[in-house]
Amino acid sequence: DQQVKQNSPSLSVQEGRISILNCDYTNSMFDYFLWYKKYPAEGPTFLISISSIKDKNEDGRFTVFLNKSAKHLSLHIVPSQPGDSAVYFCAAAYNNNDMRFGAGTRLTVKP
Amino acid sequence: NAGVMQNPRHLVRRRGQEARLRCSPMKGHSHVYWYRQLPEEGLKFMVYLQKENIIDESGMPKERFSAEFPKEGPSILRIQQVVRGDSAAYFCASSPDVERGYTFGSGTRLTVV
Repeated sequence: DQQVKQNSPSLSVQEGRISILNCDYTNSMFDYFLWYKKYPAEGPTFLISISSIKDKNEDGRFTVFLNKSAKHLSLHIVPSQPGDSAVYFCAAAYNNNDMRFGAGTRLTVKP
Repeated sequence: NAGVMQNPRHLVRRRGQEARLRCSPMKGHSHVYWYRQLPEEGLKFMVYLQKENIIDESGMPKERFSAEFPKEGPSILRIQQVVRGDSAAYFCASSPDVERGYTFGSGTRLTVV
């Protein structure tokens, strides 16, 4: 069941520019959303999250936007750095329960 | 305070053998989750456990797969009679609660030959 979808398998941006990663979900019960970053041969690491009562959460270069009516969220990274190159997973959860992940988007930031 | 520890990092099994994957959650974390990542795919939820209880196993295949999180010791994901399609990276995560996100282990890469 593809409750969380990341339709872009890859994204390439120039260093210093903005990276925008998108995520759509189908289950309106989800009330908490998270982004994870994963390097090869490592486990995913938590990046940033947002509760469904908010529409924006910012942490340094990372900002997550939530559009509940569209069931869409996005992660903005600005400015992008080569070290940001990784696979980014969007995840969603409800009622403090287990998360569902998207398929991931591979971000490449070119120097 | 060590992170989530998974072992082994790499496991090779012949078809028909059993695979046992271990996960020790972070200290103080009582929620454990197992995910599987097939080649070129995202993380697929398998099972969510708390101590001595399976909370949600909706992502786990009905046959050959089982998981436990005993009162003492690590969580175990057990795959009986492995087949080539079981080859994947298996990640364990733990959390005190979902709002702080999960902490993932480095994964166990299972290869079935």
